[in-house]
Amino acid sequence: DIQMTQSPSSLSASVGDRVTITCRASQSISSYLNWYQQKPGKAPKLLIYSASSFQSGVPSRFSGSGSGTDFTLTISSLQPEDFATYYCQQSYSTPWTFGQGTKVEIK
Amino acid sequence: QVQLVQSGAEVKKTGASVKVSCKASGYTFTNYAMHWVRQAPGQRPEWMGWINTGNGITKYSQKFQGRVTITRDTSASTAYMELSSLRSEDTAIYFCARAGFRFGQLQFDPWGQGTLVTVSS
Repeated sequence: DIQMTQSPSSLSASVGDRVTITCRASQSISSYLNWYQQKPGKAPKLLIYSASSFQSGVPSRFSGSGSGTDFTLTISSLQPEDFATYYCQQSYSTPWTFGQGTKVEIK
Repeated sequence: QVQLVQSGAEVKKTGASVKVSCKASGYTFTNYAMHWVRQAPGQRPEWMGWINTGNGITKYSQKFQGRVTITRDTSASTAYMELSSLRSEDTAIYFCARAGFRFGQLQFDPWGQGTLVTVSS
């Protein structure tokens, strides 16, 4: 199975901050990487697919990059509604696996 | 709009089975595969398996092979996930998620609202 590791596991940031979350795969997955946002008590919501493509309706302050084993999700200017947990997920091979999550909290 | 609505919370005894439903609306049910993902409290999501809603072919994660059965009723646009021989570690929220493909790659979008399954002795 492909292991997905995110860093950091949590972070505290202020509204307006630039936030970067990293995801590393245990083997090369090309660009087969999705990012999801999950708020408490809710289902995950797709933000970014294929490492860098925006899901319809996702604000442009979110961006994704990377290929191979190292990927990044960036929020250019953190907004109050962005406080949530973010997960990466590889779609290279089954079983599809997720990172452990990065919780973005208010400073 | 595309919507997946799941059945309500369940409380089960150790060793029992649970069957969760996921009713789809807003699109042609048989045009998209359906996946099941679970999330234990405070843990990362964990993929369980999927069904080709057109022909009924399934594939399961090896972790759940032999305990999970995913089926569908095309006339009701509903997918089902049944998990047997429940143990306390199966306490989790169970989600259905529609499969999407762009650039030949899989995404889960959208997701159902989740069904909490609690297993106790």
